[in-house]
Amino acid sequence: DIRMTQSPASLSASLGETVNIECLASEDIYSDLAWYQQKPGKSPQLLIYNANSLQNGVPSRFSGSGSGTQYSLKINSLQSEDVATYFCQQYNNYPYTFGAGTKLELK
Amino acid sequence: QVQLKETGPDLVQLTQTLSITCTVSGFSLTTYNVHWVRQPPGKGLEWMGAMWNGGGTDYNSAFKSRLSISRDTSKSQVFLKMNSLQTDDTAKYFCARLRRNIGTTTGYFDYWGQGVMVTVSS
Repeated sequence: DIRMTQSPASLSASLGETVNIECLASEDIYSDLAWYQQKPGKSPQLLIYNANSLQNGVPSRFSGSGSGTQYSLKINSLQSEDVATYFCQQYNNYPYTFGAGTKLELK
Repeated sequence: QVQLKETGPDLVQLTQTLSITCTVSGFSLTTYNVHWVRQPPGKGLEWMGAMWNGGGTDYNSAFKSRLSISRDTSKSQVFLKMNSLQTDDTAKYFCARLRRNIGTTTGYFDYWGQGVMVTVSS
């Protein structure tokens, strides 16, 4: 199985700040990577797919980048509604696997 | 609009069988794949298996032969059945629609149900 190592596990940032979350795959996943946002008690919501494509309706302050085994999610100008847990997911190979999550809080 | 909704029990006894139904609307099960993902309380996401649009299935080997996924296209429903439940099967179970990348069999989850929280009790 492909292992997805996500960092940091938790993050505290101020409103307006830029935040970066990293995801490292145990092998090349050829940009088959998605990022999801999950708020407490809710289901995950797709933010980014194919490593850098923004899902319809997602604010442009979210962006994804990376290739090979290293990927990142960037949130520009942090808003209060961005407080959530973020997960990466590889879909290059079955079984699909997820990172352990990054819990983002406001400072 | 696209919707998925899971229905199932809140509580299942140890070693018993879990049955959850995912009812979809706004799309056809013969066009899109529907997958199952679970999340133990306070933990991460685990892919369980898939119902392909053509009627085939795929399973995470972590569940060995405990897991079965089926569907009824006439009712727009996908079913998850898992036997020999243990306490570490306590989790929220989600169904999700897969959007495939063109020319591939893989993809990402563009719509999710709200999930059903299942507790395994001894």
